[in-house]
Amino acid sequence: GQNIDQPTEMTATEGAIVQINCTYQTSGFNGLFWYQQHAGEAPTFLSYNVLDGLEEKGRFSSFLSRSKGYSYLLLKELQMKDSASYLCAVRDSNYQLIWGAGTKLIIKP
Amino acid sequence: GAVVSQHPSRVICKSGTSVKIECRSLDFQATTMFWYRQFPKQSLMLMATSNEGSKATYEQGVEKDKFLINHASLTLSTLTVTSAHPEDSSFYICSASSIAEDYNEQFFGPGTRLTVL
Repeated sequence: GQNIDQPTEMTATEGAIVQINCTYQTSGFNGLFWYQQHAGEAPTFLSYNVLDGLEEKGRFSSFLSRSKGYSYLLLKELQMKDSASYLCAVRDSNYQLIWGAGTKLIIKP
Repeated sequence: GAVVSQHPSRVICKSGTSVKIECRSLDFQATTMFWYRQFPKQSLMLMATSNEGSKATYEQGVEKDKFLINHASLTLSTLTVTSAHPEDSSFYICSASSIAEDYNEQFFGPGTRLTVL
């Protein structure tokens, strides 16, 4: 079966750095997405990786290793507004998005 | 980025009534639209995928006759929850994608919170 694993919840301090991991087992691979979702709102796109390596976009970076079925989202200089759920999703061979359950990130002052 | 709207944003209805939710792509032609449902503290659950002009493909366990999906144009898809019951109360989110995009990113609407009394 297809499976996306990510931690349920993480806590970090304002101004610090946090890494959210995602491992996947899917039928084929056509890209990995990270989305941010604030409570009661729809997800918003953060990043997309299809090749191995690190993609940096401001305070957020995303890394992919296809051979290991592994990705992480790195958030730097954490702000209180970064408190949200972070969803990892993998597009399989049928171009269907398989979603992880999300990681709830709690930022403390 | 592309904009997707949903209407209504919030609806409260009585058990047994039907509710229609609209999803519109405002500045691009959406060849494919997706409907998701999300219960509190859970991840997105794909309900169905629809391509313009064809019947929707429903995920296993989703009742086709209860959740009617119409994708009549490249900018509009509707989800009708028929004979709604309290267990249908959830956050319904649509997303749209276009083959014109390099990686078929899904653009999400703001969601519709349905409460069935």
